[in-house]
Amino acid sequence: QKEVEQNSGPLSVPEGAIASLNCTYSDRGSQSFFWYRQYSGKSPELIMSIYSNGDKEDGRFTAQLNKASQYVSLLIRDSQPSDSATYLCAVRQGGSEKLVFGKGMKLTVNP
Amino acid sequence: GAGVSQSPSNKVTEKGKDVELRCDPISGHTALYWYRQRLGQGLEFLIYFQGNSAPDKSGLPSDRFSAERTGESVSTLTIQRTQQEDSAVYLCASSLGGVASDTQYFGPGTRLTVL
Repeated sequence: QKEVEQNSGPLSVPEGAIASLNCTYSDRGSQSFFWYRQYSGKSPELIMSIYSNGDKEDGRFTAQLNKASQYVSLLIRDSQPSDSATYLCAVRQGGSEKLVFGKGMKLTVNP
Repeated sequence: GAGVSQSPSNKVTEKGKDVELRCDPISGHTALYWYRQRLGQGLEFLIYFQGNSAPDKSGLPSDRFSAERTGESVSTLTIQRTQQEDSAVYLCASSLGGVASDTQYFGPGTRLTVL
C-alpha cells in the first residue's frame, strides 16, 4: 500500500519558536514532495516543494528531504500566530501524476 | 478570474438524489484533479484529467461517481444516488501538467452535505 504518513498532532508551539513537521512515505520511486498549508475552512495552498536530497529554504520555511530514509520535513522558524493551520504533506510517486496526501498536522502558534 | 473556481460553494441534498459539482480550471492548465476531503482528514484523490488523454479514474470510490471534462476547460463531477458517507468537501485543482515539478492550484471547494 502506497502511503504518506504524518503525525496526527496537534502541535502547539509558542510564538517565535521553531515548529517541526514530519512526513514519511512508502514508495521509494517518489520524485516530488510538497508541503501545503490549509487554513480552517479554506483550500490548500502550496508553501514549499522539494525534489532533491537536502534542505531547501524559503524565508522562514525550510523543507528537508532524505530519500534514503523516505522522510521529508518542514521547519518553520520564528513561528507566528498566522502560521496556525493544518499542514499537508503530499508526494508525487514515480511514474504518476497523482499526489498522495498525508492526513495533515494541525499547528497552533500561541501568542 | 485568475484562479480555480468551483460551484456551488455549498450543496445540501437528500440521500438518493444526484448532484453535479463544477470546476473551472486556470486558463492554460491542461491537468485537472478532483479530491475529496472528509472532516478532519487529508485529501483523497478521485480522478485526474490530462489534456485529451484517457482520465485516471483509479480513485473513484464507486460507480456512483463519474466525471467529465470538455477539452481543457470545465469539469463536472457527478455523484448519483448520494449517500450520507458522500458528505465531504470536494476540491478541484489544476496544473500546467506533464512535469515532475508541476504545482497544483486548488479551488475553494464544494461542501456537500447529504441528509
